[in-house]
Amino acid sequence: GAGVSQSPSNKVTEKGKDVELRCDPISGHTALYWYRQSLGQGLEFLIYFQGNSAPDKSGLPSDRFSAERTGGSVSTLTIQRTQQEDSAVYLCASRYGGGFSGGKYNEQFFGPGTRLTVL
Amino acid sequence: GENVEQHPSTLSVQEGDSAVIKCTYSDSASNYFPWYKQELGKGPQLIIDIRSNVGEKKDQRIAVTLNKTAKHFSLHITETQPEDSAVYFCAAFIQGAQKLVFGQGTRLTINP
Repeated sequence: GAGVSQSPSNKVTEKGKDVELRCDPISGHTALYWYRQSLGQGLEFLIYFQGNSAPDKSGLPSDRFSAERTGGSVSTLTIQRTQQEDSAVYLCASRYGGGFSGGKYNEQFFGPGTRLTVL
Repeated sequence: GENVEQHPSTLSVQEGDSAVIKCTYSDSASNYFPWYKQELGKGPQLIIDIRSNVGEKKDQRIAVTLNKTAKHFSLHITETQPEDSAVYFCAAFIQGAQKLVFGQGTRLTINP
């Protein structure tokens, strides 16, 4: 079946502009995660959704970053007043979730990412 | 807080040799340990995982071992091939937080 998809694949913007990044998780996956990966670096957790609510927003670096999820499916990550240090690849991942542990419920799958460049 | 340490950060091996990447975790309640492979310009891909009730799991040339007492787990790749060159990430699932905590990554290079 279809995996996690993200759009756009690349985004170039000017400093100070707002950007929206979109994530379509695997159908039926209730848990959704956003990560940021700077060039050559590891995976920086940003936010976790369970359904439409976000029980963990601890990774959002500033109040310029926000995310929402509607209908328990698509999520958008919004960065306001972009800065050059926001340049990175933004990755989305989804997991079956549902509060169960073990088996397929833990498997987490990533999308291809959105490469954001702030000039 | 929860932490996953991964070593080495870079690893270079000759084609056909074996590669081993090691990780340690801090949360004794972790019960699921996946490994991801990330090729240049792509998102991380799940390649193998192990659950806390299993000590070892193998899938063709890759295997993962888990030592719950010592809180460490390892990825073993045998008969390495050039296409194994990538960045590998280990992770531990934190049940309370319902999220994965990732290691820092290992850049594996296979020399022909």
